[in-house]
Amino acid sequence: GAGVSQSPSNKVTEKGKDVELRCDPISGHTALYWYRQRLGQGLEFLIYFQGNSAPDKSGLPSDRFSAERTGESVSTLTIQRTQQEDSAVYLCASSPRGGLEQFFGPGTRLTVL
Amino acid sequence: QKEVEQNSGPLSVPEGAIASLNCTYSDRVSQSFFWYRQYSGKSPELIMSIYSNGDKEDGRFTAQLNKASQYVSLLIRDSQPSDSATYLCAVNSGGGADGLTFGKGTHLIIQP
Repeated sequence: GAGVSQSPSNKVTEKGKDVELRCDPISGHTALYWYRQRLGQGLEFLIYFQGNSAPDKSGLPSDRFSAERTGESVSTLTIQRTQQEDSAVYLCASSPRGGLEQFFGPGTRLTVL
Repeated sequence: QKEVEQNSGPLSVPEGAIASLNCTYSDRVSQSFFWYRQYSGKSPELIMSIYSNGDKEDGRFTAQLNKASQYVSLLIRDSQPSDSATYLCAVNSGGGADGLTFGKGTHLIIQP
């Protein structure tokens, strides 16, 4: 079946602009996660959605970052007033109901000039 | 601060030998442990999960967990050049499906 999809695959923006990144989880997966991976680094957890529960925002690095999810479907990660340190690959993952294993999408490479 | 530590490598192993990758974690209450493989420029791919002490085997891969020592390892038998990648150790400290804490990864090179 189809895996996690993300768009765009690449995004180049100017410092100070807002960007929106999109994630489509695997069909039927109830949990959705966003991570950030800076060049040569491990993954940093950003935010987690589980069904209709309030999201776990504990990993968001600043109030410029926000995310939404409609039900158990698409999620968007928004970064306002982008900074050069926001340059990274943003990865989305999903898990099935009751499952602990997370499956990743291909990521969005964000470059802030 | 939850931490997951891995030797960054590179770890160089001859083809056909056993590659041994190690990971330690700081949060004693951690419940779930995962190994991901990441090729350069690609996203992480789940290869093993382990939840209880001992060994878990899947094909050429064996994950080993020792919660008392806060240590998890991955063995790759009969290493192939296609196994060359960065291997990420990930830990879930909660009892449910929470965000994972990742190590920075070990770069593995299998020499033909």
